[in-house]
Formats: sequence, structure tokens, C-alpha cells
Amino acid sequence: DVKVTQSSRYLVKRTGEKVFLECVQDMDHENMFWYRQDPGLGLRLIYFSYDVKMKEKGDIPEGYSVSREKKERFSLILESASTNQTSMYLCASSSPTGFYNEQFFGPGTRLTVL
Amino acid sequence: AQTVTQSQPEMSVQEAETVTLSCTYDTSENNYYLFWYKQPPSRQMILVIRQEAYKQQNATENRFSVNFQKAAKSFSLKISDSQLGDTAMYFCAFMNGGTDKLIFGTGTRLQVFP
Repeated sequence: DVKVTQSSRYLVKRTGEKVFLECVQDMDHENMFWYRQDPGLGLRLIYFSYDVKMKEKGDIPEGYSVSREKKERFSLILESASTNQTSMYLCASSSPTGFYNEQFFGPGTRLTVL
Repeated sequence: AQTVTQSQPEMSVQEAETVTLSCTYDTSENNYYLFWYKQPPSRQMILVIRQEAYKQQNATENRFSVNFQKAAKSFSLKISDSQLGDTAMYFCAFMNGGTDKLIFGTGTRLQVFP
């Protein structure tokens, strides 16, 4: 089974803190994605990566950065957390040659910024 | 730009009954894929069903089937013989052929009651 794991299920941080959200997949997938999920807005793509050290902006990259030093790990960084970044963050991975272009999701990290 | 619209924020259905979730999308592309994802409460998002735009036949997966109307740009999900375990948030999603990026709708929260 494909497994995508995220470092924390729940996280509480203070405004201005630097926050790291980690995602690891064990299926050797080339593609990895970070979304945020908000009620009434669905999932919105923050950043994605097609390969190690490669990254591309999604629809809402402002206030975020990412790092992909190893194929299995994709980190989302909030350089200076703000209250409007309180949200559920979902990581996903896929393979461009995979069956059905299916994205596999992690369990999510619910981040609260106070 | 492509958009995905789910006009039903919440729906409910009695166990063993049939329910249909609506989704419309907007694109000028001809090669694309459509998906329904399920997010159970406090659990990971999983793929329910997928449809390739070039296929006329509607996809089915056990109790789940779609009604794909390409000209109308409509992609509804029908759940037959609803079960309590079908209670979840359901997201419709669009992917352009040749890319691996998903565009999600805002979701429909489905409650199945006994």
C-alpha cells in the first residue's frame, strides 16, 4: 500500500514563528504536492514538486516555501506564521506513470496559529 | 482557467437509498480527467472513481457510478445502496491531460443516517 505520512496531526504555533510541516511517501513517487483545505474553499494547491530540488508554485504560494532535498520527503515552510494560515494542510504524492494519475494523500496536519 | 463547481454543500441520505452528488466544470481543453475523492471524518482522502474525458462510457466502481455529460461539462456521482461508512466529504476534481495537477471543487458533505 502507498503510504503518505505527515509529521504531525495537530500543531499549535504562535504568530511570527517559523513552522515546518513534513511529508514522507514510501512509493518512490516523483510528484509531491502541498494543499491547504478550508471550509467552503475546498483544497487549494500551495506548491508542488516534480523531482528532487524542483518546485513550482501552485495557486496560493504567498507566505509559504518548500524544500525537497530527497525524493521521498517534501517540506512546507511557513517563514513567519500568521493567523490567516490557520488551516488543514494536506500532502499528496503521485507518479506520472502511475495508474490513473492517482494522487495519494496523507492524513493532514491541522495547524492553528495563535 | 479551469474551475470545478459543487453546488451542494451538504446532503443527507437514508441508509440503503441512492444519492447523487453534482459537479460541473469549465474547461476549453479536450484531453482531461475527472475524479471523485472521499474524505471520511478524521481519515485520509481516498480516490473513489475516475473518468477519462475521451471515454464515452461512464465509470463504475461497485456501488459508485458517474454520469459524465461532456457537452454539458457535468460529472455527477451516484452512490447506490448507501452505507453508514459512506458518510464523508466528497470532492470533485479535474486534471488536464499532460499535467499532474488537480483542481478541486469546494466539496459536498454527505451524511448517511440509519
